[in-house]
Amino acid sequence: KNQVEQSPQSLIILEGKNCTLQCNYTVSPFSNLRWYKQDTGRGPVSLTIMTFSENTKSNGRYTATLDADTKQSSLHITASQLSDSASYICVVSAPAISNFGNEKLTFGTGTRLTIIP
Amino acid sequence: KAGVTQTPRYLIKTRGQQVTLSCSPISGHRSVSWYQQTPGQGLQFLFEYFSETQRNKGNFPGRFSGRQFSNSRSEMNVSTLELGDSALYLCASRQGSSYEQYFGPGTRLTVT
Repeated sequence: KNQVEQSPQSLIILEGKNCTLQCNYTVSPFSNLRWYKQDTGRGPVSLTIMTFSENTKSNGRYTATLDADTKQSSLHITASQLSDSASYICVVSAPAISNFGNEKLTFGTGTRLTIIP
Repeated sequence: KAGVTQTPRYLIKTRGQQVTLSCSPISGHRSVSWYQQTPGQGLQFLFEYFSETQRNKGNFPGRFSGRQFSNSRSEMNVSTLELGDSALYLCASRQGSSYEQYFGPGTRLTVT
């Protein structure tokens, strides 16, 4: 069964500190892995999308890594800010069956990150 | 360019009623997907529409249905509401088969 597990479930860190969120998956075959940030009461916003051949991708203070062999990904946040307080969701995609892009997405339940001043 | 919009933002319904939610995608995006998000289950895929055709469907009962119009706007309908249908319903649009999805703010549905 395709699964995506994220850890920790919740995390509290001081403003300015770094942190790393983990995502392990069993989805196979694999197409791409995405990290989303979701602020309370809002829709998710894409941070990074990585395909099989990419093992690191950055978006400002966010850096995602992917190890397709061990089926693990991490999201590293550098010099955290209060605005980083949100849920971070890892999503893994299985390939589309046709050219119409009907990929299969498996979602993690997210890590709730709280930054305190 | 305007983002994905969803209406209404909040809704309270009674068990047994039915509800229709609306989603307007980003201009030029022909694909619209719907998701249900609950604290216990996280995000779960409902269905995806492309050019007025449903091309992907999640594991939800037939009470959940949707459609897409020629202008790419989409509606989702839930009939015979149950307490467990209380959730945040999100729609996302994308261009063709691009991986990048853009989510709307969601509709918070409460069933009492």
